Amino acid sequence: KQEVTQIPAALSVPEGENLVLNCSFTDSAIYNLQWFRQDPGKGLTSLLLIQSSQREQTSGRLNASLDKSSGRSTLYIAASQPGDSATYLCAVDNTDKLIFGTGTRLQVFP
Amino acid sequence: DTAVSQTPKYLVTQMGNDKSIKCEQNLGHDTMYWYKQDSKKFLKIMFSYNNKELIINETVPNRFSPKSPDKAHLNLHINSLELGDSAVYFCASSQGINQPQHFGDGTRLSIL
Repeated sequence: KQEVTQIPAALSVPEGENLVLNCSFTDSAIYNLQWFRQDPGKGLTSLLLIQSSQREQTSGRLNASLDKSSGRSTLYIAASQPGDSATYLCAVDNTDKLIFGTGTRLQVFP
Repeated sequence: DTAVSQTPKYLVTQMGNDKSIKCEQNLGHDTMYWYKQDSKKFLKIMFSYNNKELIINETVPNRFSPKSPDKAHLNLHINSLELGDSAVYFCASSQGINQPQHFGDGTRLSIL
């Protein structure tokens, strides 16, 4: 049974710092892995999707990596801004459904 | 121009009632989903439909009945609501299975 874990559960950093969010999964037989952002009271916004054959994806200040063999993914946020404050969720596409981690709540203070 | 829209945004009702949540997507996607996010913010899939056909039913009580009148809509009907049904319910859609999913803003269901 696929299990997805995210650490840390919460993170508070000053503006301008580079930071890394971690996601680990137990079953490496995945189709892809997605990183989402969730703002309070809002739905999920897809940030990056990495196919199982890929090692990383980049979008602006965000870079996500995938190491299937070790069951790990990281989301790197460069030069963090207060507007980055949100909960970040990773989700593994396992056969025909997404399995979500419990999220990392990020706060970036000015 | 909302991609995935859910109504209502908030739903407050009493235990034992029957209620429905509607979801519509204008992305032309073939696959739609319902997720439940509990009080600990854990998201878990409930159902998925592909081309109006049910493909996933994650051991959800049969009080929950999804209905897909067409590819653009996936509604969720809940009978005999219980306190434990209080949660945020998210609808999502994707072009197909294993494709990126787009989420609605959620429906916050509170059972009194």
